[in-house]
Amino acid sequence: DGGITQSPKYLFRKEGQNVTLSCEQNLNHDAMYWYRQDPGQGLRLIYYSQIVNDFQKGDIAEGYSVSREKKESFPLTVTSAQKNPTAFYLCASSIAHPTGVKSSGANVLTFGAGSRLTVL
Amino acid sequence: GENVEQHPSTLSVQEGDSAVIKCTYSDSASNYFPWYKQELGKGPQLIIDIRSNVGEKKDQRIAVTLNKTAKHFSLHITETQPEDSAVYFCAASHWRDTGRRALTFGSGTRLQVQP
Repeated sequence: DGGITQSPKYLFRKEGQNVTLSCEQNLNHDAMYWYRQDPGQGLRLIYYSQIVNDFQKGDIAEGYSVSREKKESFPLTVTSAQKNPTAFYLCASSIAHPTGVKSSGANVLTFGAGSRLTVL
Repeated sequence: GENVEQHPSTLSVQEGDSAVIKCTYSDSASNYFPWYKQELGKGPQLIIDIRSNVGEKKDQRIAVTLNKTAKHFSLHITETQPEDSAVYFCAASHWRDTGRRALTFGSGTRLQVQP
């Protein structure tokens, strides 16, 4: 079955350590996203990628880094520069289309099950 | 940029009653409004969406209404069941953001259906 797999589901980190969250999709989607979820704050966009080898900062990119070397994979690194990294992280993907082309299914996001990061 | 506000933050109803969640958006150019349901420990899933050329859309017990003039849209769940208990997110976007920023989400509503 097609879908998005995030790992690990739970992760504990000591202060000062970098950690990498994995996100893999087999939906053949071009666009991938990372969101951070905190209680009462909804979903905030960290980074997004429309195509392989290209990615853009979202609203809260400071302290995070990403790479997009393969269409299927979009790993997120939470660096020691992120001051408050404890959160639930969600990866998502969607069909991407060039600007100016309308598509009924293009805005639909498929989410993974999430990774909960706790800093000790 | 777009800003989406969602109310209420928590909602408790008795099984069988109706539930209504409301959202407002700021960018009049937004034309796509989805609703996502997030069950405990899982990622959000799309349950219904509406485009700006439609005022209302129904799918069994759920419906969404859109008022473009007032820039607000609502989710209506009728005959609620315990399995409807979850966090619901509204969102808004414009087609020009497809594959880019995609969606701006509301802050979420935790719905609890009491048996």
